[in-house]
Amino acid sequence: AQTVTQSQPEMSVQEAETVTLSCTYDTSESNYYLFWYKQPPSRQMILVIRQEAYKQQNATENRFSVNFQKAAKSFSLKISDSQLGDTAMYFCAFMPSLNTDKLIFGTGTRLQVFP
Amino acid sequence: KAGVTQTPRYLIKTRGQQVTLSCSPISGHRSVSWYQQTPGQGLQFLFEYFSETQRNKGNFPGRFSGRQFSNSRSEMNVSTLELGDSALYLCASSLEDTATEAFFGQGTRLTVV
Repeated sequence: AQTVTQSQPEMSVQEAETVTLSCTYDTSESNYYLFWYKQPPSRQMILVIRQEAYKQQNATENRFSVNFQKAAKSFSLKISDSQLGDTAMYFCAFMPSLNTDKLIFGTGTRLQVFP
Repeated sequence: KAGVTQTPRYLIKTRGQQVTLSCSPISGHRSVSWYQQTPGQGLQFLFEYFSETQRNKGNFPGRFSGRQFSNSRSEMNVSTLELGDSALYLCASSLEDTATEAFFGQGTRLTVV
């Protein structure tokens, strides 16, 4: 079965510091996509960053970057210069094939940014 | 450009009733997916539609059904509601069927009493 595991239910970080959220997944596919979504208290899911499995280069989006280790099936999210607005649930998600938009989500990591 | 619109935002139903939730995707998006979010089970995939055809279905009982119309709007229906169906139901739309970004609506909070 294809699964996504987020082993950190909760994390906290001080404003301006860096934090890394972990994610591992299990699949036998060779081509797939990985995502990090953010869900603030408003419940609106917002895409943070995306990674194509065939790309070796790690994706970056401003303060957000990933460490994608395909062989280890690991996909961690690094948030640099944390801001209060980063406080949210973060979900790692896996798209198992290129012929679907179906997402398999992890259980989420609640991130609290403190002033 | 308007985002994904889900209606209603909140709904309270009685056990045994049925409910229909609506999702209007972003203009031009042809793929719509539905997810159920609960504190216990997290985010679980319900089904996915593309060009009015169900492309994938999650592991939910037959009480959960959906459809997509020619204008890409989608509805999901839950019949014979159970207390455990209380959840946030999220709809997401995508531009094409090639693993592009999914844009989510704000969800419909269903409470079954």
